[in-house]
Amino acid sequence: GAVVSQHPSWVICKSGTSVKIECRSLDFQATTMFWYRQFPKQSLMLMATSNEGSKATYEQGVEKDKFLINHASLTLSTLTVTSAHPEDSSFYICSAGGQGGQNYGYTFGSGTRLTVV
Amino acid sequence: GENVEQHPSTLSVQEGDSAVIKCTYSDSASNYFPWYKQELGKRPQLIIDIRSNVGEKKDQRIAVTLNKTAKHFSLHITETQPEDSAVYFCAASKGWSGQNFVFGPGTRLSVLP
Repeated sequence: GAVVSQHPSWVICKSGTSVKIECRSLDFQATTMFWYRQFPKQSLMLMATSNEGSKATYEQGVEKDKFLINHASLTLSTLTVTSAHPEDSSFYICSAGGQGGQNYGYTFGSGTRLTVV
Repeated sequence: GENVEQHPSTLSVQEGDSAVIKCTYSDSASNYFPWYKQELGKRPQLIIDIRSNVGEKKDQRIAVTLNKTAKHFSLHITETQPEDSAVYFCAASKGWSGQNFVFGPGTRLSVLP
């Protein structure tokens, strides 16, 4: 079945630095990738939707210049948190959108726990 | 946009009892309703889903019911076991291919031995 690989699983970075998170679809083509953020004891909140080869669509309140998303191929999407601050510390998780009628892609990556110190 | 509510926020049951979690949604165009189980620090795992053309679906100890008219759907877990303890999220989507989910706030289920 559909597998989404996400790396790194956890990262600690200094305030002001940037962090890149990768999500790869291993056995299917992910035309769409969703990026979610989950704060402790809260639900998953959609940050942005990326489609292969085009610009990402960001949800209201999400800074596109701070959370850079690249979806350059059908198997790889990246989220870069630029100039990270402690309030960006969260669990970031991707999910790949499926292809026409098949239930691929509603599988989440393993998540990345980001801690900004 | 879509709004998904979920109740209760926490639920404790004795091992062997049943657990029921209810969700409501606001957008009548939503037609796909998955349920996810998330253990601490791990990714959400799809446990069951239902599409709008079906009223009920069952998979062993887990079942989901959907009432399109009332716009609510429920997760039923029977014969609960300690390993069922986790946070459960419902979600709604306009489709199951290339559409994002709107998640409920989650229910923390504790199964007491």
